[in-house]
Amino acid sequence: NAGVTQTPKFRVLKTGQSMTLLCAQDMNHEYMYWYRQDPGMGLRLIHYSVGEGTTAKGEVPDGYNVSRLKKQNFLLGLESAAPSQTSVYFCASRRPGLLSGANVLTFGAGSRLTVL
Amino acid sequence: EDQVTQSPEALRLQEGESSSLNCSYTVSGLRGLFWYRQDPGKGPEFLFTLYSAGEEKEKERLKATLTKKESFLHITAPKPEDSATYLCAVQASSGGGADGLTFGKGTHLIIQP
Repeated sequence: NAGVTQTPKFRVLKTGQSMTLLCAQDMNHEYMYWYRQDPGMGLRLIHYSVGEGTTAKGEVPDGYNVSRLKKQNFLLGLESAAPSQTSVYFCASRRPGLLSGANVLTFGAGSRLTVL
Repeated sequence: EDQVTQSPEALRLQEGESSSLNCSYTVSGLRGLFWYRQDPGKGPEFLFTLYSAGEEKEKERLKATLTKKESFLHITAPKPEDSATYLCAVQASSGGGADGLTFGKGTHLIIQP
C-alpha cells in the first residue's frame, strides 16, 4: 500500500519554464490537496479537489493550475515558473465525512522545486 | 480568518528532559485540532486529532491536550528519535477549502543524547 506518491522528488527549472507535479493516491480518497511549505511560513493550501473533475482555489493559487481527470491523480502545473515558486510541494488526500479518521490527511513525501 | 500559532519555534532538550509544546488557535468553530510530526525531507505524519475541550490522547511518550484556546503536546522522557518538527493544524466547521487544514509554522524539537 503506497499511500500518496509524488513525482518528481526534485526538479530545477529556469524562470519561465513550465512543469507538472504528479500526485497519485491508492486509498480511493475523494479529497486531494496541494500545499507548499516555505521556511517560516508553514504549510499553505494552493488548490484542492473534492472529487474527480472538480478543482478549487486555496489560500495561494496564483501562478498554479491543477487538474483531477482521474480520482487517484491530482496534477499541479506551473505554466511560467518564477523564483518565488521555489518551495517544497506536498500533496495530501483524505476521505470525506465527519467520522473519526475521515478528516485525517495523508501526505506524500514532497517535491522540492527550485526556480533559478 | 483562522490562525494557528505554535511556540516555541525551536526547542532543544536533553534526553529524558520532559517538556511541552504549545499551539494556540483562533477559529470560527473548531471541528478538529490535529498534531503531525515531520521528519527532515519527509511529509507530515499524523499523530493525533482532538475534537473538544478537555480531550486528551496519548501515544508512547506523547500526550496531546486541548482547551478552548490552545493545545499542548507533552513529551515525557524524550529520546533522540523524538527529534522532529511538530505541526499543529485546525479544521474549522465553516468548511473553507473543503475542510482543508490551517497549519501553524511548527516547533523544531531536538533531543540531545
